[in-house]
Amino acid sequence: TQLLEQSPQFLSIQEGENLTVYCNSSSVFSSLQWYRQEPGEGPVLLVTVVTGGEVKKLKRLTFQFGDARKDSSLHITAAQTGDTGLYLCAGAWYGGATNKLIFGTGTLLAVQP
Amino acid sequence: EAGVAQSPRYKIIEKRQSVAFWCNPISGHATLYWYQQILGQGPKLLIQFQNNGVVDDSQLPKDRFSAERLKGVDSTLKIQPAKLEDSAVYLCASSAGPYSYEQFFGPGTRLTVL
Repeated sequence: TQLLEQSPQFLSIQEGENLTVYCNSSSVFSSLQWYRQEPGEGPVLLVTVVTGGEVKKLKRLTFQFGDARKDSSLHITAAQTGDTGLYLCAGAWYGGATNKLIFGTGTLLAVQP
Repeated sequence: EAGVAQSPRYKIIEKRQSVAFWCNPISGHATLYWYQQILGQGPKLLIQFQNNGVVDDSQLPKDRFSAERLKGVDSTLKIQPAKLEDSAVYLCASSAGPYSYEQFFGPGTRLTVL
């Protein structure tokens, strides 16, 4: 059974602070995705990383895929209240006739004004 | 382009009752997924359809859960009878195809079983 553990589970910070969320597994993934989910809504895809060691930037968000494609991190610079939400990583791998996606345990981020 | 539509948004039922959820995916998306998301956790895949055929239902509790996608477009997920532990958000997602990395999620149906 493939598992994705995220840390921390909860994070409450002040606006302007930096933070890093980690996503770890013992399994190798074809790609890894990060989603953000706001209350009452479904997850929305932020980024997909495919190559080991890959780094992608989305404004103040920096995503990195581990060299061995087993782990990933999300770094937010100068957090804003609009960054508040549940951050989910999801690992994808080829499972026969389809790509399969397994979600991490989630990190709930609260950015205080 | 319209997103994934789900209804109802909220449902409260008593244990042992039945409930059904409806999902209309993004137009043209061949692959449809149903996920269960318990509060504070990540979504867990229940069933995946490719057109109107089931690709993966290994985590669907088949003694009480059923799902169909008869015409390869919209889908229904049913729980009969419901248990307290079924309280969760049920998310529907769709993707262009089985090898597409991006899934688009609907807003979900929040189910409370009393």
